[in-house]
Amino acid sequence: ILNVEQSPQSLHVQEGDSTNFTCSFPSSNFYALHWYRWETAKSPEALFVMTLNGDEKKKGRISATLNTKEGYSYLYIKGSQPEDSATYLCAFFAKRANNLFFGTGTRLTVIP
Amino acid sequence: DAGITQSPRYKITETGRQVTLMCHQTWSHSYMFWYRQDLGHGLRLIYYSAAADITDKGEVPDGYVVSRSKTENFPLTLESATRSQTSVYFCASSPPNSPLHFGNGTRLTVT
Repeated sequence: ILNVEQSPQSLHVQEGDSTNFTCSFPSSNFYALHWYRWETAKSPEALFVMTLNGDEKKKGRISATLNTKEGYSYLYIKGSQPEDSATYLCAFFAKRANNLFFGTGTRLTVIP
Repeated sequence: DAGITQSPRYKITETGRQVTLMCHQTWSHSYMFWYRQDLGHGLRLIYYSAAADITDKGEVPDGYVVSRSKTENFPLTLESATRSQTSVYFCASSPPNSPLHFGNGTRLTVT
């Protein structure tokens, strides 16, 4: 079992604010880092899969960075909108493992 | 329709009964996973499979059994359901080194 930690646990921001949250994972045996968006009453949907140190991915107003040497990834949301309200999960894929270890997520609420 | 489907969506069962949750995917993805969602724990892996006839334990396998005789199906069986197995169960599939595609979940209540 690998420890994947996300912070903060929950976050409330005003519409239009930019925000970011953190995923920490073991820096050894790194293979890939996934980010998922999980809306209430739905199933998680993939945002990014990141594999290289220094990787930056972007999808619309959402972007992510990866530091495999120190074991963290940041997810950024620029100009938050109410429809961004969801739980954001990161998941760590270790070498020699065939499965993902999920963090407990950051629950984002964007207040109109 | 292409995709991943779980059945049933909701299930209520009694302690001690055997119950099977079904998962079917139409993409021929090699990897399939079963997770349970619990407050404070997020998604915890129960079992996964890298290919047909290959299954491995995840973080919380006790009390569960899986099989994968065909690539597209990955049923999860609770041999003798307990109240602690009340949860929402998610099945997922993926090709190697790719993001997971999740089913809509099965809400299981054990009374």
